Amino acid sequence: EAGVVQSPRYKIIEKKQPVAFWCNPISGHNTLYWYLQNLGQGPELLIRYENEEAVDDSQLPKDRFSAERLKGVDSTLKIQPAELGDSAVYLCASSLGRAGTDTQYFGPGTRLTVL
Amino acid sequence: AQSVTQLGSHVSVSEGALVLLRCNYSSSVPPYLFWYVQYPNQGLQLLLKYTSAATLVKGINGFEAEFKKSETSFHLTKPSAHMSDAAEYFCAVSGGNTDKLIFGTGTRLQVFP
Repeated sequence: EAGVVQSPRYKIIEKKQPVAFWCNPISGHNTLYWYLQNLGQGPELLIRYENEEAVDDSQLPKDRFSAERLKGVDSTLKIQPAELGDSAVYLCASSLGRAGTDTQYFGPGTRLTVL
Repeated sequence: AQSVTQLGSHVSVSEGALVLLRCNYSSSVPPYLFWYVQYPNQGLQLLLKYTSAATLVKGINGFEAEFKKSETSFHLTKPSAHMSDAAEYFCAVSGGNTDKLIFGTGTRLQVFP
């Protein structure tokens, strides 16, 4: 069974530029998550989808961040414009169902560096 | 609201020694508790989880954790460390159902030969 796929693995951009991350969850997983992981910290939830509906986006900075999950499968997270403080690892995860009980399977992440 | 505290950002052990990584939680409802491991440049992998069944939970790679409600703890142990155990370990808590997962700040385990 293929795991969660993310691309790109690494991205270096200059501040004020846009950037997008892509995630393909495990087949059949209805719930998809985007997390932000700063250096030396645990992941923090940015947004959670159940199928194509964003059910928890309270921690997503909506002035510059956006996300979509068309057709309830793949998802894209976008930052526009990027700031220096956005340098971090962006993790995508998926689970079969319930966010709090079902195991979340993580992708390898995208390491973003903003210069 | 839930929260997790991991005591010790770095733990060093010799190969073959006992591994003990500490995690204390706070939860207003019966918690679901998880331990994840993260190897360099990789995503997180589930080691084990507690979902209100047996209080002693066995996971992969010889790890286990014991849920102690009286101490609000969920410490991770392994009897004998291996070099391949060197990684970052995260404890996480949720309130179950649709509640989100809250991660601790992680503990980096180093294993010396």
